[in-house]
Amino acid sequence: QVQLVQSGSELKKPGASVMVSCKASGYRFTMYPINWVRQAPGQGLEWMGRINTNTGISTYAQGFTGRFVLSLDTSVSAAFLEILDLQAEDSAIYYCSRDLVVPVGLNYYNHMDVWGKGTTVTVSS
Amino acid sequence: DIQMTQSPLSLSADVRDRVTITCRASQSISTYLNWYQQRPGEAPELLIYGASNLQSGVPLRFSGSGSGTDFTLTISSLQPEDSATYFCQQSYRTPYTFGQGTKLEIK
Repeated sequence: QVQLVQSGSELKKPGASVMVSCKASGYRFTMYPINWVRQAPGQGLEWMGRINTNTGISTYAQGFTGRFVLSLDTSVSAAFLEILDLQAEDSAIYYCSRDLVVPVGLNYYNHMDVWGKGTTVTVSS
Repeated sequence: DIQMTQSPLSLSADVRDRVTITCRASQSISTYLNWYQQRPGEAPELLIYGASNLQSGVPLRFSGSGSGTDFTLTISSLQPEDSATYFCQQSYRTPYTFGQGTKLEIK
């Protein structure tokens, strides 16, 4: 079945970097973009950006430029989120999700139909 | 960016109650509105896409409606397993944006 499997929890010190992986299975990886969504402790969902798995081109939300880098390894159907120069406020759960497009009538609807279980990143000295 | 505002932010209801959650967009998004359910400690799950299309496998007691700026998620007969936080999300344009979430508790 279609699934996204994320890497395990990370504990990092301020200033370090972390890379979170998201490995897809059950479908052709390059057909649909992968989104990344952040959830700070006790907070809501925040869209960070999206990577086109066919072209490798990324789109980032404001507030997630510079220290946040999306990348791919299509040979293993995986997407990656790298966070540089970690800060305490980066402590959160990071989710990847598939950005499915479905035609309904004349419209094409994007929606996040499959999610990884999330990766908890804790930044603490 | 398109701002999404949900109301109420929390509510409590009895089993078999009819529950409605509202989501308002800061500009017209046609029907490019999705709803997600997130149970504690779990990843979000898609309920509704395109404002009113039920995702495969989602119980029929869930329904969505609306267009333009105003949308609703309705649970026709609340069940214990519906205790969760519900988020709306616009897919009209990037950056995608979510509502703040509505925490639904069962009395």
